[in-house]
Amino acid sequence: EADIYQTPRYLVIGTGKKITLECSQTMGHDKMYWYQQDPGMELHLIHYSYGVNSTEKGDLSSESTVSRIRTEHFPLTLESARPSHTSQYLCASSGGQGATYEQYFGPGTRLTVT
Amino acid sequence: KQEVTQIPAALSVPEGENLVLNCSFTDSAIYNLQWFRQDPGKGLTSLLLIQSSQREQTSGRLNASLDKSSGRSTLYIAASQPGDSATYLCAVHSGGSNYKLTFGKGTLLTVNP
Repeated sequence: EADIYQTPRYLVIGTGKKITLECSQTMGHDKMYWYQQDPGMELHLIHYSYGVNSTEKGDLSSESTVSRIRTEHFPLTLESARPSHTSQYLCASSGGQGATYEQYFGPGTRLTVT
Repeated sequence: KQEVTQIPAALSVPEGENLVLNCSFTDSAIYNLQWFRQDPGKGLTSLLLIQSSQREQTSGRLNASLDKSSGRSTLYIAASQPGDSATYLCAVHSGGSNYKLTFGKGTLLTVNP
């Protein structure tokens, strides 16, 4: 079982609030990813990181930002939440020695902005 | 741009039936292909990963095949059980320095007791 954690699992918050979604992995993976998934829809990559101090935007435009100061930690921040940000956010990681680039996912954070 | 299509979108079968889920992708220059399972409201569980040089992978009652030249993969589930009910997602890693996965929309499987 993959050791990748996300907190909180569920978050209901009002419009305009700043939020940070946490993601941590204990596998020593160098690559980490954030995906957004609306109900019944496919996952879309919104951010990824190849290592410490490396972050890139994904295929789906997002108003969120990310940081990668430590290998194991890849938080996602929304400065001012809006109802359009309501979605499920999934964090993943891959890499390590002899990597096959298999991606391992966390349990997700379901965000509702009212 | 890589596109991944999964057919059917939904499938309902009686317990014990063998079944096949299909995945197709438009760009055959892939590095690997992963099959995932997603339970409602949960994250993704990796089921099988097939490298581009491989033709199939097996894990228990699951068998995934890959035909890179035709841009197709299938996930075979033997002797299905109600606990197999979930959404099954296919994702393609297009290789190079790009480590990103492109996902299909998934197949929602319901196994009826």
